[in-house]
Amino acid sequence: EVQLVESGGGLVQPGGSLRLSCAASGFTFSSYEMNWVRQAPGKGLEWVSYISSSGSTIYYADSVKGRFTISRDNAKNSLYLQMNSLRAEDTAVYYCARGMPIQLWTYDYWGQGTLVTVSS
Amino acid sequence: AIRITQSPSSLSASTGDRVTITCRASQGISSYLAWYQQKPGKAPKLLIYAASTLQSGVPSRFSGSGSGTDFTLTISCLQSEDFATYYCQQYYSYPGITFGQGTRLEIK
Repeated sequence: EVQLVESGGGLVQPGGSLRLSCAASGFTFSSYEMNWVRQAPGKGLEWVSYISSSGSTIYYADSVKGRFTISRDNAKNSLYLQMNSLRAEDTAVYYCARGMPIQLWTYDYWGQGTLVTVSS
Repeated sequence: AIRITQSPSSLSASTGDRVTITCRASQGISSYLAWYQQKPGKAPKLLIYAASTLQSGVPSRFSGSGSGTDFTLTISCLQSEDFATYYCQQYYSYPGITFGQGTRLEIK
């Protein structure tokens, strides 16, 4: 069974940092592209970042470029999101999501999400 | 960036009804459109990709159609478990993929 379990969310002050993790199991993690997608409270979905299966290709949404860093450790079946210079508008539930092999930018499995709250 | 306009923003319907949700792209996106269902407090679930291909395990009462700029998600014979929020997603212009604003489907 495919499982994605996020962790690392919490309350952080504006300007602070946080590192999210996503532990994957039930599939060959190293073969799949991975993404972070977020959802502000009561709002819609926003794609945040993408990383290829090898980690060689990375993309970011303009809203987080220069502040967030996506990475992965295929030996540990884990995906990460380092978030720096956090702003109030980064407050959201952050989901890790697996890219489908045949339609890379659609997401066939999602974690349960981890809440990041940026507030003083 | 490609804008996606989803309508309606909310919809009331009864069990057994047939409902249609629409997404319109600001420019042609071929068939690079997906639909997701999200229930409160849960992660989104992929229903349809490539505009009309049903994801494995999704009931056949869900269907998608369209290409270019206009797309529809149809749910025939609504079941109680279908009351949720639905999002479309364009993935024609990656990495700038975008989601629609969502349609909240409520029980009448």
